[in-house]
Amino acid sequence: IQLTQSPSFLSASVGDRVTITCRASQGISSYLAWYQQKPGKAPKLLIYGASTLQSGVPSRFSGSGYGTEFTLTISSLQPEDFATYCCQQLNSYPPLFTFGPGTKVEIK
Amino acid sequence: QLQLQESGPGLVKPSETLSLTCTVSGGSISDRSYYWGWIRQPPGKGLEWIGNVDYSGGAYYNPSLKSRVTMSVDTSKNQFSLRLSSMIAADTAVYYCARVRWRGELTDAFDVWGQGTIVSVSS
Repeated sequence: IQLTQSPSFLSASVGDRVTITCRASQGISSYLAWYQQKPGKAPKLLIYGASTLQSGVPSRFSGSGYGTEFTLTISSLQPEDFATYCCQQLNSYPPLFTFGPGTKVEIK
Repeated sequence: QLQLQESGPGLVKPSETLSLTCTVSGGSISDRSYYWGWIRQPPGKGLEWIGNVDYSGGAYYNPSLKSRVTMSVDTSKNQFSLRLSSMIAADTAVYYCARVRWRGELTDAFDVWGQGTIVSVSS
């Protein structure tokens, strides 16, 4: 199962609403997670099950989708949100937990 | 609070075997609710899953690396390990360990990560 993300790069301002799309090459139900990664740091789990917010993650982050198309939305971009976001599918068995290529969110 | 810490050599010669260890603190590696995983990220590139191992040593590997990968668990030390043989330059990457929720349920995810360790392959 391959994952693609769009856009690959996004320039936005503080307070903007941002939407990132992840598409799977075949249906994965809701077995999709989103991660945030800052330079030199490990990825951080934001959302699992396509739409469930991981404990401690701000409510401005939300996820939606099913099957082959998923979105991550940041309702009001904050300075600490400038990072790279990637999706991951966890549907396949035997397991092959592929990650998307990432979307870099930078300050406009 | 669960923490994971990778350790191992920062430099490996081509054709040699990489050995990395992940030490788990603040929780037990014997917790049957979780798997323990390795993921890597080449410079400037995306994340690649290497494999998962459970408390008993049962492991699943990425098919693209399966012939070179071995993962194991040492419950007495609360550690799990990765061995990657026949290293080449393309194996240069940051290697992360992570706790993995994987039950075929919608809660599945890699929820706690180590800080990562840089491994370079060079003679």
